Amino acid sequence: GNSVTQMEGPVTLSEEAFLTINCTYTATGYPSLFWYVQYPGEGLQLLLKATKADDKGSNKGFEATYRKETTSFHLEKGSVQVSDSAVYFCALRGSGGYNKLIFGAGTRLAVHP
Amino acid sequence: GAGVSQTPSNKVTEKGKYVELRCDPISGHTALYWYRQSLGQGPEFLIYFQGTGAADDSGLPNDRFFAVRPEGSVSTLKIQRTERGDSAVYLCASSPEGNTEAFFGQGTRLTVV
Repeated sequence: GNSVTQMEGPVTLSEEAFLTINCTYTATGYPSLFWYVQYPGEGLQLLLKATKADDKGSNKGFEATYRKETTSFHLEKGSVQVSDSAVYFCALRGSGGYNKLIFGAGTRLAVHP
Repeated sequence: GAGVSQTPSNKVTEKGKYVELRCDPISGHTALYWYRQSLGQGPEFLIYFQGTGAADDSGLPNDRFFAVRPEGSVSTLKIQRTERGDSAVYLCASSPEGNTEAFFGQGTRLTVV
């Protein structure tokens, strides 16, 4: 079945450091891929998405590229801020009218000044 | 206006009791999803409604769990004979249609003692 694996946290960085959170997936066909973020005390929010191979999703300085050859969708940001501290979830939605999201376990990011 | 609303935000119940969790989706959204998030894990799919009908209930763990959406808007997740293992955050999400961005509520934290 479909699944998502993401790197374990916590990830602790200094402000302005480069961020990578790895995400790989297993799926048949051509899933859509997502990164969701959960800030402290808030609900899950969509951060970015990509719906086909080689698409790059981007938002708030974060980027992720849909790599079908490596079944990956790694999240990157060139310069993190304290306000980026949150839990990040990689997710996929299967192809063919299949609507539910399959989430990874989440990666907690802590950015300190 | 607002987003997806879930009530109560917290619920403590005794083992064996019955609980109901409520979700008010964004007005006009036809698709509604329930997920369960255990501590340190990503959200796990439970059930998906398109309108009033459950289009996919493959994630419900057993027959103690049931959900309804009688008028195609508000949904209630019902858990009978609660067990300590049911303790988790129950998330609701809605989207304009089944295959579009899902907006999440803040969840109901259920604790079974």
